Amino acid sequence: DQQVKQNSPSLSVQEGRISILNCDYTNSMFDYFLWYKKYPAEGPTFLISISSIKDKNEDGRFTVFLNKSAKHLSLHIVPSQPGDSAVYFCAASADDKIIFGKGTRLHILP
Amino acid sequence: KAGVTQTPRYLIKTRGQQVTLSCSPISGHRSVSWYQQTPGQGLQFLFEYFSETQRNKGNFPGRFSGRQFSNSRSEMNVSTLELGDSALYLCASSPYSSYNEQFFGPGTRLTVL
Repeated sequence: DQQVKQNSPSLSVQEGRISILNCDYTNSMFDYFLWYKKYPAEGPTFLISISSIKDKNEDGRFTVFLNKSAKHLSLHIVPSQPGDSAVYFCAASADDKIIFGKGTRLHILP
Repeated sequence: KAGVTQTPRYLIKTRGQQVTLSCSPISGHRSVSWYQQTPGQGLQFLFEYFSETQRNKGNFPGRFSGRQFSNSRSEMNVSTLELGDSALYLCASSPYSSYNEQFFGPGTRLTVL
């Protein structure tokens, strides 16, 4: 039972355009959501998070949107840069657990 | 501040052997979590330790175990290795809880032959 789903294994976006990565979850008890970015041969690094009491959080080029009724969150990167090419994991947490999605590989095209 | 360190970075073992991986968290962080990353499954939570106590555990067999020392350093042990245990094992630390922002180490790449 996959509680956090990233349905797109990969995504290609032109440099300078907007990248939108999506994540769906099934458990309404999740109250905190995070995005991590991972380069090859490195551990994931925290990007941005959002609490369930908000519907948007922005940090520079990165914005996370949360739609609780749809149990859906998305990460927007604008403008996309070559260094954004990486695997992005979304994660959802509640009091007693954290669940990661399987990741989406983002390719930024020149 | 030094980041999370994991040793060794690479390890090759054969089926049936056991292995111990080590993780040193960021100074002052009391929560240490372990994850297994495989190509098809993403990041799967193994367990979390806080103040030397296992606070949470994922759905892995009892062959996977861990512990945390008084200085917050943690070890993970896998006994009777199977081919399917080949993966990247990641350790992450945070000040209080794995449920908010965590800082990951570079991982230990385990290959079981």
